[in-house]
Amino acid sequence: EAQVTQNPRYLITVTGKKLTVTCSQNMNHEYMSWYRQDPGLGLRQIYYSMNVEVTDKGDVPEGYKVSRKEKRNFPLILESPSPNQTSLYFCATRRALRDQPQHFGDGTRLSIL
Amino acid sequence: AQSVTQLGSHVSVSEGALVLLRCNYSSSVPPYLFWYVQYPNQGLQLLLKYTSAATLVKGINGFEAEFKKSETSFHLTKPSAHMSDAAEYFCAVSDQRRGSQGNLIFGKGTKLSVKP
Repeated sequence: EAQVTQNPRYLITVTGKKLTVTCSQNMNHEYMSWYRQDPGLGLRQIYYSMNVEVTDKGDVPEGYKVSRKEKRNFPLILESPSPNQTSLYFCATRRALRDQPQHFGDGTRLSIL
Repeated sequence: AQSVTQLGSHVSVSEGALVLLRCNYSSSVPPYLFWYVQYPNQGLQLLLKYTSAATLVKGINGFEAEFKKSETSFHLTKPSAHMSDAAEYFCAVSDQRRGSQGNLIFGKGTKLSVKP
């Protein structure tokens, strides 16, 4: 079964405490991406990766880091989280072709106090 | 720049009534367009996509959308709403500009409520 798995699903933490949200896919997709979803703003892209060791900024990259050391994994790192990063985060993957739909994980709800 | 506008952040219909969710796009090149649905506490699920083939696209759960280039629209419809259709719906355009890698640009979403 095709899956995009995010962990954790929920996290409450405090300002400044480094955290990592993992994303793993079993579809051998080249393209992976992170979004944040905020009420009234829809989904905004944070970072994306076209393949191993190839990453680039999306529309709202400030305060986030990513890495793509393996094709199946694309972790999102918050080195020093702040309250304005409280949000619902989604990882998505697709095959390389632009006309292909993206497959989304079930989301990670982060609360930064 | 490419963009998507969804008219109406909330739409309420009665069960059995027509569902119409509006989406207009802006694109300097022929677009790829998508509708996604998000049920509570879940990720986004693809409903349908337009990639320059037939202008009337049929998707899952009885939904369909029509690409109208002259109106730059891609409205989502369903003839008869079910209670299970209550969810948030997102229209998205694939960024076809050079170097964009086809990143999705989402509208702000429309929450659909279905009344018994």
